Amino acid sequence: AQSVTQPDIHITVSEGASLELRCNYSYGATPYLFWYVQSPGQGLQLLLKYFSGDTLVQGIKGFEAEFKRSQSSFNLRKPSVHWSDAAEYFCAVGARGSGGSNYKLTFGKGTLLTVNP
Amino acid sequence: GAVVSQHPSRVICKSGTSVKIECRSLDFQATTMFWYRQFPKKSLMLMATSNEGSKATYEQGVEKDKFLINHASLTLSTLTVTSAHPEDSSFYICSARGVAGQGAYEQYFGPGTRLTVT
Repeated sequence: AQSVTQPDIHITVSEGASLELRCNYSYGATPYLFWYVQSPGQGLQLLLKYFSGDTLVQGIKGFEAEFKRSQSSFNLRKPSVHWSDAAEYFCAVGARGSGGSNYKLTFGKGTLLTVNP
Repeated sequence: GAVVSQHPSRVICKSGTSVKIECRSLDFQATTMFWYRQFPKKSLMLMATSNEGSKATYEQGVEKDKFLINHASLTLSTLTVTSAHPEDSSFYICSARGVAGQGAYEQYFGPGTRLTVT
């Protein structure tokens, strides 16, 4: 079965600084990879996704992520963080479950981003 | 496009009562919808996969008699929490699977429903 690890529970950066949120996955084949952002009390908004092709993907709000197969990683980056980026960020892998069960998303535990002025 | 709504956004109910949460895909037809539960400061836990016109598939450990899921049309799935108890208080989020092609591997999320059982 697939799994996702987000090693950092909470990250604090200053506004204008660069950001990298880490994500590692475990899956036997190439998975579909996603980054979502969630503001308090809200649903999830898709930032970007990787299915195949170019391993550097661009998303909304100036975010990008790079798929590195050798490291089983899909880290999220932003060159200059804005105060409005403060939120919870979830990495997810899409794959069929064990035993050929339905395709589903498996989420990491999330990284809370705090932005200092 | 690909907008998913949930109703209500917040609900408070008394212990022992049942509450229904609706999930609608507004501008596309969703043959598959998913229901998640999110505890405070925790990740999303998949509860069940809802397929239009058939029985839902529940994840291990989720009580199907307590969390009733109905997906009667291509744009509506409902989650009914029966005989709710305070431990059922949580944030419930639905998602709808996209249509054919790469969209079939994406999920579009609703804004969530905050359930408080008193």
